[in-house]
Amino acid sequence: DAGVIQSPRHEVTEMGQEVTLRCKPISGHDYLFWYRQTMMRGLELLIYFNNNVPIDDSGMPEDRFSAKMPNASFSTLKIQPSEPRDSAVYFCASSWVNEQFFGPGTRLTVL
Amino acid sequence: GNSVTQMEGPVTLSEEAFLTINCTYTATGYPSLFWYVQYPGEGLQLLLKATKADDKGSNKGFEATYRKETTSFHLEKGSVQVSDSAVYFCALTTPGGGTNAGKSTFGDGTTLTVKP
Repeated sequence: DAGVIQSPRHEVTEMGQEVTLRCKPISGHDYLFWYRQTMMRGLELLIYFNNNVPIDDSGMPEDRFSAKMPNASFSTLKIQPSEPRDSAVYFCASSWVNEQFFGPGTRLTVL
Repeated sequence: GNSVTQMEGPVTLSEEAFLTINCTYTATGYPSLFWYVQYPGEGLQLLLKATKADDKGSNKGFEATYRKETTSFHLEKGSVQVSDSAVYFCALTTPGGGTNAGKSTFGDGTTLTVKP
């Protein structure tokens, strides 16, 4: 199995631009999570899905952030408009029976 | 709600030293307990786990025992190597239904640096 796949691995954009991060979970996993990691705030859970349905989005920082999971094999996290304080590493993870499998992350830099 | 408290870092050790990273938790029901490791530039990966009281998880020389009486899951290794330098996260998941179903609660992470 290829594991959790995220794209792009690195993204550099300018303030005000739209950013879309993509995730392909491990086949058969029924949960999908989006996290953000920064030095200041550590690892934060943004939103998670169960069987493609959003369960808890209380960690999404602002309305500028949105996430979708149109099918079991694909999810997106969108930031519109982006701001410099959104710079972080964004991780996608999927799970089955409690153990989480993390992707390699997308390092986002907003100038 | 669920919470995980782990030893603050950073921790710096010499090669072949003994490692302990403390982790205690608060949870409803009977959680599964995990240690994840994050190497520089990578995502978190599972190091070991235990699903019930008195279980011992082990992997790559690391061990942790699920202690329900002290609500702890301390990580230990008898002889660390430079390659063990990473950030270590303690986590729990409560099975079954409810508002936390399927979601893991992570500690803040402990950075370990091993010097030759």
